[in-house]
Amino acid sequence: NAGVTQTPKFQVLKTGQSMTLQCAQDMNHEYMSWYRQDPGMGLRLIHYSVGAGITDQGEVPNGYNVSRSTTEDFPLRLLSAAPSQTSVYFCASSYLTSGGQEQFFGPGTRLTVL
Amino acid sequence: QQQVKQSPQSLIVQKGGIPIINCAYENTAFDYFPWYQQFPGKGPALLIAIRPDVSEKKEGRFTISFNKSAKQFSLHIMDSQPGDSATYFCAARPGQFSGNTGKLIFGQGTTLQVKP
Repeated sequence: NAGVTQTPKFQVLKTGQSMTLQCAQDMNHEYMSWYRQDPGMGLRLIHYSVGAGITDQGEVPNGYNVSRSTTEDFPLRLLSAAPSQTSVYFCASSYLTSGGQEQFFGPGTRLTVL
Repeated sequence: QQQVKQSPQSLIVQKGGIPIINCAYENTAFDYFPWYQQFPGKGPALLIAIRPDVSEKKEGRFTISFNKSAKQFSLHIMDSQPGDSATYFCAARPGQFSGNTGKLIFGQGTTLQVKP
């Protein structure tokens, strides 16, 4: 299993440009999430999904869109990039266990918006 | 309140020391409390987790202590090693039956350095 994969690893955008961060998982997990990581802010939840066709907002959803047409894929779209969106983005997938939940993270995408 | 507050922001200990990282929460409906470890350039990985009906859990050199009445939990690393140098995140899950299944709320992170 490849686990959770993310592309690209690095990206530089200009203000106002749009792009899609790709995320895929091959573990057949129902739950997927997008986080951004900023120094001193921890991991903040952007959007999450509890299954194909179902998404919801997290703590910091403004400026981002998601869709989940298949179990495997959960892309994150930036419609008009802003410097405040400079961050490291992590996608994660998870499944429920008897004790709680196991969440697996991808390797991250480092995004710079100029 | 869907927040988890983590402290300290950074921590330096000598090899063999016992670093302690603390987290506090407000929402009594949280039902699962994991800790994640992140090395530079990598995604976080699950380290150890606890449910609120248990006061302590050990896995190898890592121990979670949980105080339900104080709404606090902490990670202790026994006999710390330079290889433990990483960023540690606590997290909490809103209750499974509150409609938030699969969602984790993370603390701010603690950067740990273990000196040889």
